Amino acid sequence: NAGVTQTPKFQVLKTGQSMTLQCAQDMNHEYMSWYRQDPGMGLRLIHYSVGAGITDQGEVPNGYNVSRSTTEDFPLRLLSAAPSQTSVYFCASRRLAEETQYFGPGTRLLVL
Amino acid sequence: DAKTTQPNSMESNEEEPVHLPCNHSTISGTDYIHWYRQLPSQGPEYVIHGLTSNVNNRMASLAIAEDRKSSTLILHRATLRDAAVYYCILREGLWGTGRRALTFGSGTRLQVQP
Repeated sequence: NAGVTQTPKFQVLKTGQSMTLQCAQDMNHEYMSWYRQDPGMGLRLIHYSVGAGITDQGEVPNGYNVSRSTTEDFPLRLLSAAPSQTSVYFCASRRLAEETQYFGPGTRLLVL
Repeated sequence: DAKTTQPNSMESNEEEPVHLPCNHSTISGTDYIHWYRQLPSQGPEYVIHGLTSNVNNRMASLAIAEDRKSSTLILHRATLRDAAVYYCILREGLWGTGRRALTFGSGTRLQVQP
């Protein structure tokens, strides 16, 4: 199993540009989520999904969209990038009935 | 969400045991206690979790106070690879019903000296 994979590893954007961060898992996990981590801080939840076709907002959803068309993929879209979205983004997944959550390696995003 | 309090940083020597404390005085009866760690430039990694009883796994042990207002993560023999930020997290009881994600604080940075 590859676990949770994220692409790209690093991205530089200009203010106002849009992009999609990719996340995929091959463990057939129902639950997937996106977090952001700012320097020296813990992770904050952006959006999550409990299954294909079902998404919901987390703590800091503004400026981000998600969709879940398949169990495996959970892309995060930045609609119009802002410098405040400079951060490291982590995708995570787990089985709904289990406690252990698996995180991807992260995408480092710099918005100029 | 219930809050946790952890020391900002701790130091240990290699091959010695490490006890990482966590206070969670507002914990409710159905909150699970989770520990994750984050090595430099990596995503968080699950360590252990428990509800009421002490727990052991291949990575660590979790000791939970009888009143559940505090817990301690025990690394039995620290290695250099254990240097990381350790997060103590309370996860509310309704895990499968949506808005029950992990709420991360700022964690404890563990330094391991050779």
